[in-house]
Amino acid sequence: ILNVEQSPQSLHVQEGDSTNFTCSFPSSNFYALHWYRWETAKSPEALFVMTLNGDEKKKGRISATLNTKEGYSYLYIKGSQPEDSATYLCAFGDSGYALNFGKGTSLLVTP
Amino acid sequence: DAGVIQSPRHEVTEMGQEVTLRCKPISGHDYLFWYRQTMMRGLELLIYFNNNVPIDDSGMPEDRFSAKMPNASFSTLKIQPSEPRDSAVYFCASSPSLGRRAGELFFGEGSRLTVL
Repeated sequence: ILNVEQSPQSLHVQEGDSTNFTCSFPSSNFYALHWYRWETAKSPEALFVMTLNGDEKKKGRISATLNTKEGYSYLYIKGSQPEDSATYLCAFGDSGYALNFGKGTSLLVTP
Repeated sequence: DAGVIQSPRHEVTEMGQEVTLRCKPISGHDYLFWYRQTMMRGLELLIYFNNNVPIDDSGMPEDRFSAKMPNASFSTLKIQPSEPRDSAVYFCASSPSLGRRAGELFFGEGSRLTVL
């Protein structure tokens, strides 16, 4: 089992605040790092798939960076909105398509 | 396009009974995964298939669990006999190996299992 750690476990911010979370993963045998958003009563949906050291990806107000040498990825949300409230999961793959998920960061954005 | 379809959505059963969970992956996806979600452990990979062939079942908890994929459009996860500690949400996900979204997991809505 590959250890994928996410922090913080939960986060409560006000609408308009910017925020970021961390995902730590083993720095050896890197293949891919994924970010998923999981809204209550729905299933996880992919945000980003990152494969190269130094990768930066952006989708609207959400962006992610990747450092494979030190084994971490950051997810940033600029100007949080209530609809951003969800659990954000990162998942690490050391080969092929099997992913090991972290336990997620639960974000609550209040108006 | 239809997403990953899982059934049943909810299952309540008694200890010792056989449970069968079903999954229809997205057409054209050649990878299929079974994950289990619990509060304690989060999302755990149980087993995955490529082109209907099991590739890695090292996450299957014990011999009570088995999974099959008889064809590209159907997979089952069976627990026999079931135990209370098997209570969890079981997710099926599929993934394409080619194309713009290669490697992304597309999840079903999950099957919530309660074993009394």
